[in-house]
Amino acid sequence: AIQMTQSPSSLSASVGDRVTVTCRASQGIGNELAWYQQKPGKAPKLLIYDASTLQSGVPSRFSGSGSGTDFTLTISSLQPEDFATYYCLQDYNYPRTFGQGTNVEIK
Amino acid sequence: EVQLVESGGGLEQPGGSLRLSCAASGFTFSSYEMSWVRQAPGKGLGWVSSISSSGTTIYYADSVKGRFTISRDNAKNSLHLQMNSLRAEDTAIYYCARTRVANDAFDIWGQGTLVTVSS
Repeated sequence: AIQMTQSPSSLSASVGDRVTVTCRASQGIGNELAWYQQKPGKAPKLLIYDASTLQSGVPSRFSGSGSGTDFTLTISSLQPEDFATYYCLQDYNYPRTFGQGTNVEIK
Repeated sequence: EVQLVESGGGLEQPGGSLRLSCAASGFTFSSYEMSWVRQAPGKGLGWVSSISSSGTTIYYADSVKGRFTISRDNAKNSLHLQMNSLRAEDTAIYYCARTRVANDAFDIWGQGTLVTVSS
């Protein structure tokens, strides 16, 4: 199974900060990577698919980049509603595997 | 409105069985691959199983293979997960999720149903 290693596991940031989360795959997955946001008690929400394509309705401050084994989720200017846990998912093959999550907290 | 609604969760003893269901609405259910994803309390997301739009291709996580069975009824717009030989480590919120296009990311998620395995 492809292992997805996400970093950091948590971070503290202020409103307006630029935030970057990374995800590394244990083998090449092309651009077959998605990013999700999850708030407490809620289902995950798709932010980005195919590594860099913004899901409809997602604010443009979210962006994704990377291919092969190294991927990045960037929030250009953190907003109060962005404090949440973020997960990456590889959809290159089965079994599907998620990163362990990054908790973005208020500084 | 595109919607997925899970049901069937609850408290079950180790070794017992539960059947989860997911009712789909607002889209052509028979055209989409569907999946189950779970989240243990305070933990991250874990993929459980996926089924193709026709039901002919199925995948399982190793941790549930031989114990869980995914199925779908395209006439009734419903997805199911039969869970047998339940273990304490199966305790989690179970989400059903739609695959955006074939072999791609999960784009629509239900609200989840809690399964607790405990004596």
